[in-house]
Amino acid sequence: QKEVEQNSGPLSVPEGAIASLNCTYSDRGSQSFFWYRQYSGKSPELIMSIYSNGDKEDGRFTAQLNKASQYVSLLIRDSQPSDSATYLCAVNSGGYQKVTFGTGTKLQVIP
Amino acid sequence: EAGVTQFPSHSVIEKGQTVTLRCDPISGHDNLYWYRRVMGKEIKFLLHFVKESKQDESGMPNNRFLAERTGGTYSTLKVQPAELEDSGVYFCASSPTGDGPEQYFGPGTRLTVT
Repeated sequence: QKEVEQNSGPLSVPEGAIASLNCTYSDRGSQSFFWYRQYSGKSPELIMSIYSNGDKEDGRFTAQLNKASQYVSLLIRDSQPSDSATYLCAVNSGGYQKVTFGTGTKLQVIP
Repeated sequence: EAGVTQFPSHSVIEKGQTVTLRCDPISGHDNLYWYRRVMGKEIKFLLHFVKESKQDESGMPNNRFLAERTGGTYSTLKVQPAELEDSGVYFCASSPTGDGPEQYFGPGTRLTVT
């Protein structure tokens, strides 16, 4: 079992729709959770971090965390073509600060 | 504020040669990390510096890889001798001390070993 699992996609949504990206993790002791956006050939860009159960909103982005289910999600409202990228879920298990990444979900927003 | 920078952006070397990658973290960031992504796989942790000290090098694949951070500023990652399976994109990231584990990534160095 991979430590951080994501559906590789591609996930296609029409412009203006809500994109829902999901991630599960295996280490129940994980404490910090991140979503990175990576455009092709570019570096991962941190877009959201979440540390406690529930929702965290930042503009069009909402991160959701359910530690009991070991599940993290990212919602993108009013999706735009510029949101088309690979979204990486990353988890930190505390102690040392290394982050474990999923393989990423490719999102395509269709105009 | 300048971001994390890496040099070179691309490197093509032959099997058995040596390559040195450089990372300059965001100014003032004590934490520096190296990660690697090989084709089709997830980004994987290699090691973590706090200032000039290696905090965690559990991800280093073998003793052909040597990372240094003299003076606690920039870091180098040397691969000697390079093997075909070392090909991939090497990312560096940094974070400030005490502000949580949020890390900021550089553009990466694409290494191709032929």
